Amino acid sequence: GQNIDQPTEMTATEGAIVQINCTYQTSGFNGLFWYQQHAGEAPTFLSYNVLDGLEEKGRFSSFLSRSKGYSYLLLKELQMKDSASYLCAVKDSNYQLIWGAGTKLIIKP
Amino acid sequence: TAGITQAPTSQILAAGRSMTLRCTQDMRHNAMYWYRQDLGLGLRLIHYSNTAGTTGKGEVPDGYSVSRANTDDFPLTLASAVPSQTSVYFCASSEEGSNSPLHFGNGTRLTVT
Repeated sequence: GQNIDQPTEMTATEGAIVQINCTYQTSGFNGLFWYQQHAGEAPTFLSYNVLDGLEEKGRFSSFLSRSKGYSYLLLKELQMKDSASYLCAVKDSNYQLIWGAGTKLIIKP
Repeated sequence: TAGITQAPTSQILAAGRSMTLRCTQDMRHNAMYWYRQDLGLGLRLIHYSNTAGTTGKGEVPDGYSVSRANTDDFPLTLASAVPSQTSVYFCASSEEGSNSPLHFGNGTRLTVT
């Protein structure tokens, strides 16, 4: 079966750095997405990786290793507004998105 | 503001009743999707449409139907609601291309009693 694993919950301090991991086992790979979802709101797109390496976008970076079936989302200079769930999703060989259950990130002052 | 509009925002529905969740987009995206989101689970695809006039079944299609008469609208119908359909429903659309992200509506919170 296809599977995406993420930690259920993480806690970090305002101003610090946090890394949210995502491991996947899918039938084929056609890209990995990260989304942010604030409580009670819709998911919004953060990043896309299809090649190995690091993609940087402001305070957020996303890394991919296809050989390890592994990605992480790195958030720097954490702000209170970064408190949200972070969803990892992989497009399989049929271009269908497989979603992880999400990581709830709690930021403390 | 361009994007996806879902209605209603929330609804309480008696078991056995029917209901249509509405979804409209103004981005002229060909692909549209319906997902349900339940606590502790990833988003699960109910139905999708790659272009107007075509629809397909996702991971959890039973109990739901969709239509795609035009590019903008993609309603989801529950013919006879059951309590297990209590969930938050998200409509989404995307441009063509494997790297195109999904754009989500604000969701409909449905409670079936």
